[in-house]
Amino acid sequence: QMQLLESGPGLVKSSETLSLTCTVSGGSITGTSYSWGWIRRPPEMGLEWIGNVYYTGGTEYNPALRSRATLSVDTSRNQFSLTLSSATAADTAVYYCARYMFGSSFDSWGQGTLVTVSS
Amino acid sequence: DIQLTQSPSFLSASVGDRVTITCRASQGISNYLAWYQQKPGKAPKLLIYAASTLQGGVPSRFSGSGSGTEFSLTISSLQPEDFATYYCQQPHSYPLTFGQGTRLEIK
Repeated sequence: QMQLLESGPGLVKSSETLSLTCTVSGGSITGTSYSWGWIRRPPEMGLEWIGNVYYTGGTEYNPALRSRATLSVDTSRNQFSLTLSSATAADTAVYYCARYMFGSSFDSWGQGTLVTVSS
Repeated sequence: DIQLTQSPSFLSASVGDRVTITCRASQGISNYLAWYQQKPGKAPKLLIYAASTLQGGVPSRFSGSGSGTEFSLTISSLQPEDFATYYCQQPHSYPLTFGQGTRLEIK
């Protein structure tokens, strides 16, 4: 069964870069029917899609975060990553990585990791 | 961008009740809609995709319907473990979007 696990600092200073990695186990990151996504949930708010990355490196981004977000993939380690530059308190959230089946849904999720941006 | 509007935002119900949550899309998305359940401290869990197809392992009391711009998630007989927040999401086109969520609480 596929498992995803987020890792990275739980505390980031305001104006610095937030960086997270998702490690995929129990399956290959190089599948052709899916891509890999990041979703976040700020406190007391709903889910927000950040972006997706395909194993070839192709990306799609939420327009609201496009200028600050970068997604990348490392197929040799079965990992994909998110960096979010110029972090502010508004970026404080639980961040999830997930597998996205094209045209369908996010069918496998990591447990989530809380990132707090402090001033 | 495709906006998804869920109603109600908050729902209070009792064990055994039948409840329906609706999701309205700002433009037609055929049957490209998924539903998720999220409990406190847990990751979202996929319940339904393609508007009405139940994900493996999801109890049959959950069902989805709709196409175009109007969709619904129905729980036929609420169980204690169903009290959670529910989200719809459209995979029709980028940017991917979620509804604002419906919080289902015990009456």
